[in-house]
Amino acid sequence: GAVVSQHPSRVICKSGTSVKIECRSLDFQATTMFWYRQFPKKSLMLMATSNEGSKATYEQGVEKDKFLINHASLTLSTLTVTSAHPEDSSFYICSARARDSFFSGNTIYFGEGSWLTVV
Amino acid sequence: KQEVTQIPAALSVPEGENLVLNCSFTDSAIYNLQWFRQDPGKGLTSLLLIQSSQREQTSGRLNASLDKSSGRSTLYIAASQPGDSATYLCAVRGAGGFKTIFGAGTRLFVKA
Repeated sequence: GAVVSQHPSRVICKSGTSVKIECRSLDFQATTMFWYRQFPKKSLMLMATSNEGSKATYEQGVEKDKFLINHASLTLSTLTVTSAHPEDSSFYICSARARDSFFSGNTIYFGEGSWLTVV
Repeated sequence: KQEVTQIPAALSVPEGENLVLNCSFTDSAIYNLQWFRQDPGKGLTSLLLIQSSQREQTSGRLNASLDKSSGRSTLYIAASQPGDSATYLCAVRGAGGFKTIFGAGTRLFVKA
């Protein structure tokens, strides 16, 4: 079946640095990718929607200059948390919508997520 | 705007008990609804996916139902086991697009 891979699964970074999280669709081309974050004991909240080759659409309240999203190819989207602060520590998960109708059926596939800790 | 609510927020049951987790959504125009489990410090594991045209899905001891008209879904877990302890999330994808909205989850603890 279709697989979405996120890397790294866990990362610890120092406050003030930037960290990049990758989301890859391993066996299908993803026209659209979504990024979510989850605060402790809270629900997953949609951060942004990215379409290959265009700028991401951010949800209200999400700082686009802080959370840089790049969807440069049909199999890769990256989320860069810039100038990270401890309050950015969270669980980040991506999902991808397949372009290929063989896989899609309009299905969205989720990655396993990345745990970010900013110290 | 779609809102997804899960009740209860937390649940503790003795091993062997059958239990029901509830998920409600405000906009019945959905494409599908999906149940996930999340273990502490881990990612999401997809449990069941119900398309809007379906009423229920079953996998092993799990059964999920969907009633679009009332905006409700339930996840039934039969003969609960300590290994079922996790947070269970429901996620609703709207019919008009591809955004998926998550509930806050139900934290389940099954006591041995």
